[in-house]
Amino acid sequence: EAQVTQNPRYLITVTGKKLTVTCSQNMNHEYMSWYRQDPGLGLRQIYYSMNVEVTDKGDVPEGYKVSRKEKRNFPLILESPSPNQTSLYFCASSSTAAGEAFFGQGTRLTVV
Amino acid sequence: SQQGEEDPQALSIQEGENATMNCSYKTSINNLQWYRQNSGRGLVHLILIRSNEREKHSGRLRVTLDTSKKSSSLLITASRAADTASYFCATDAKASNFGNEKLTFGTGTRLTIIP
Repeated sequence: EAQVTQNPRYLITVTGKKLTVTCSQNMNHEYMSWYRQDPGLGLRQIYYSMNVEVTDKGDVPEGYKVSRKEKRNFPLILESPSPNQTSLYFCASSSTAAGEAFFGQGTRLTVV
Repeated sequence: SQQGEEDPQALSIQEGENATMNCSYKTSINNLQWYRQNSGRGLVHLILIRSNEREKHSGRLRVTLDTSKKSSSLLITASRAADTASYFCATDAKASNFGNEKLTFGTGTRLTIIP
């Protein structure tokens, strides 16, 4: 079954404690991206990756890092989380940058 | 920056009625997509319409695209309780060079179907 898997689904953490949200896809897609979704703001792209070792900033990259060492995995790293990063996060993959996107189930992050 | 804006922000209708939501965008596009999101879950792709198409159907869904007005509409016919969700349009931007395309999502329409 084609899918994008994010973990964890829910996470509560404290300010400054480094965390990683994992994302894995099984469709051999080259393009992967991370979004955050906040009420009234829709989905905003954080980072994207065109292929292995090729990543670039999206619209709201501050406070986040990513890596793409393997085609299937695209982890999102928060080195020093802050309360304004409390949000619902989605990973997505697609065969092209603007093609049909497949989304993970989301990670609800709360930073206290 | 957001390219697509959905209208209305929220819509409540009786089960069996048709639901129409609209999307307006600002710049030229290659294609426009619609997605559905059940509460707090991941978005699910519904339909893609290319800039040279005016109308497309998929089951109970009908999508229109008017590139002269930079707008699209999503019609759900004979609505069901299971259609309750948020609906987003997503547009791409014509790229001057490969690699600058990306999907940009609107803020969504929250659709509630009343049984």
